[in-house]
Amino acid sequence: QSVLTQPPSVSGAPGQRVTISCTGSSSNIGAGYDVQWYQRLPGTAPKLLIYANDNRPSGVPDRFSGSKSGTSASLAITGLQAEDEADYYCQSYDSSLRGVLFGGGTKLTVL
Amino acid sequence: QVQMVQSGAEVKKPGASVKVSCKASGYTFTSYGITWVRQAPGQGLEWMGWISGYNGNANYAQKLQGRVTMTTDTSTSTAYMELRSLKSDDTAVYYCARDRGVVVITGTLDYWGQGTLVTVSS
Repeated sequence: QSVLTQPPSVSGAPGQRVTISCTGSSSNIGAGYDVQWYQRLPGTAPKLLIYANDNRPSGVPDRFSGSKSGTSASLAITGLQAEDEADYYCQSYDSSLRGVLFGGGTKLTVL
Repeated sequence: QVQMVQSGAEVKKPGASVKVSCKASGYTFTSYGITWVRQAPGQGLEWMGWISGYNGNANYAQKLQGRVTMTTDTSTSTAYMELRSLKSDDTAVYYCARDRGVVVITGTLDYWGQGTLVTVSS
């Protein structure tokens, strides 16, 4: 099935570490396609956080990191800050759909 | 600096068409692709398709095949997305974004437009 599954929500206290998972299948992440992660702050356009699984664009703090293994990927955020409260989306190409898939999104709450 | 500036909000009736523009600046338009993404109220991001800024080749989401057309005008560095036979569930904010892939889709969307709200209502 061509979907990318994320937890609907995660939370953490300031300074803590949180991870957001993204589970795919053999037609997307498991097929070796790169995973990207986007951050969407309320009322703003999405922002590229991680590309090609574990690469940060210039300007993105090193508190954000990505990893990929098998049919899954993860985004880790360390030293959680109030400004990190946002929706996070994973994304990858899917060979069955012959197009790009976004995960359903995860709302991060900073307690 | 790279900028992607989209056209303004639209209100359309069911069955009508809408055409959203996305004017790019600050980079060589023909060296990148343009991806269109939408987000309906309370929903997640949905990939609509990609078009090459180099040769105009396009790849559309299967769900939208036959209703969507993406084009570019390299003389003005502008991309267009036309959606036809609009339905109420096409109500969404539509975004264009620069894709680092110019001949293939990479999904790496590094600059985004501000979004265009399209409301479909009778």
